[in-house]
This record gives sequence, structure tokens and C-alpha cells, in this order.
Amino acid sequence: EAGVAQSPRYKIIEKRQSVAFWCNPISGHATLYWYQQILGQGPKLLIQFQNNGVVDDSQLPKDRFSAERLKGVDSTLKIQPAKLEDSAVYLCASSSGLMDYNEQFFGPGTRLTVL
Amino acid sequence: QQQVKQSPQSLIVQKGGISIINCAYENTAFDYFPWYQQFPGKGPALLIAIRPDVSEKKEGRFTISFNKSAKQFSLHIMDSQPGDSATYFCAASMDFNKFYFGSGTKLNVKP
Repeated sequence: EAGVAQSPRYKIIEKRQSVAFWCNPISGHATLYWYQQILGQGPKLLIQFQNNGVVDDSQLPKDRFSAERLKGVDSTLKIQPAKLEDSAVYLCASSSGLMDYNEQFFGPGTRLTVL
Repeated sequence: QQQVKQSPQSLIVQKGGISIINCAYENTAFDYFPWYQQFPGKGPALLIAIRPDVSEKKEGRFTISFNKSAKQFSLHIMDSQPGDSATYFCAASMDFNKFYFGSGTKLNVKP
């Protein structure tokens, strides 16, 4: 079974530029999560999708971050414009559903550096 | 506001020793407490998880101890091995979503 795929793996941009990350979850997984992991900290949930609907985006900085999951499969997370404090690893995870605590499978992450 | 507090930040254990990592929470609505293991350059992977209706869960060398009244839970790694060297995160969740992670513990098992 293929795991969660993310691209790119690394990205370096200057502040005020825009960036987008892509995630392809495990086939058949209805729930998709985006996390931000700042160096030395635990992952922080940014947004959670169930199929193509948003379940929770309470910690997403909506003035600069946006995410979509068209057709309930792949997802993109965008930052526009980026700030220095956005430097982090962005993790995508997926699980099979929301009816119980199904295991979350994480991708390798995208390491973003904002200069 | 940090929902889950984790300690210690780092831990050095000799091979064969016991590694103990502690977490505490405040929100009594949490009903699922997983532990994740993360190696450098990789995403976290679920190690073991517990529900609050049991006080202990064991899987191989890994044990979660859960104290509902104290709102604390801990991970014990028995017979620690160099291959266990990684960063460990506790987490807490409610209503099948809203996962809150601790700040992580970097474990180094010396050969």
C-alpha cells in the first residue's frame, strides 16, 4: 500500500512570496489533515477535511493560508504572502474516516524556509 | 494555550534501560491518547494509543500508563535499544478529530 505522498520535499522562498504544497493521501482515505511543525515543536493541526468538506480550520491563519481538497482526493495548501515565522515542516496525514479513531498516516513533509 | 504538556524535552538512556516520557492534559473531554514516533526527515508514525477507560496498555516493549484522576499519561519503553532513538510525541484528541500534540521528547539510547 502506497503511503501519503507530498511534494515538494523542500522549498526556499523569500518573505512575501507565495508557495503551494501538494498532498496525495492513501487511496480510499476520507479524512485528510494538514499540520505545521515548527522546529523543536509538535505538529499543530491547521485544517482537517472529510472528503472535500472542511471539518476544522480553527487554527488556520486564514488571512494568508488557504487549502482545498477538490474531488475529495488530493489537497493543496497555499501560503500567500509568506512570513519568516512560516518556516516549518508542513505535514499531510490521512485516515480512513471520522467514525472512530482511525490511525493517521503521515507523509514525509515539506520543509519550508522563508528568508 | 498548550493543551498537552510533555516532559522531558530530551532523554538519554543506556541500552537495555527503561525510557519514560510523561504528558499531562487539562481538558477532560479528551478521550483518545496516542503516542507517535518520529525519525529525522520522516513524518510521525503511530506507536501505541489508549482510551481513558483503561489504566494501562502494553504492546511489545512499549507501555502506556494512564492516570485519569491526575490527567496524566506516560510512555514506558522497556529494554531500550539504539534503534529506538527518535523523537516521541504524545497527543490527545476528542470527538474523533482535533488532535493536540505535545512538544516532543528526543530520546537517545546509548549503545
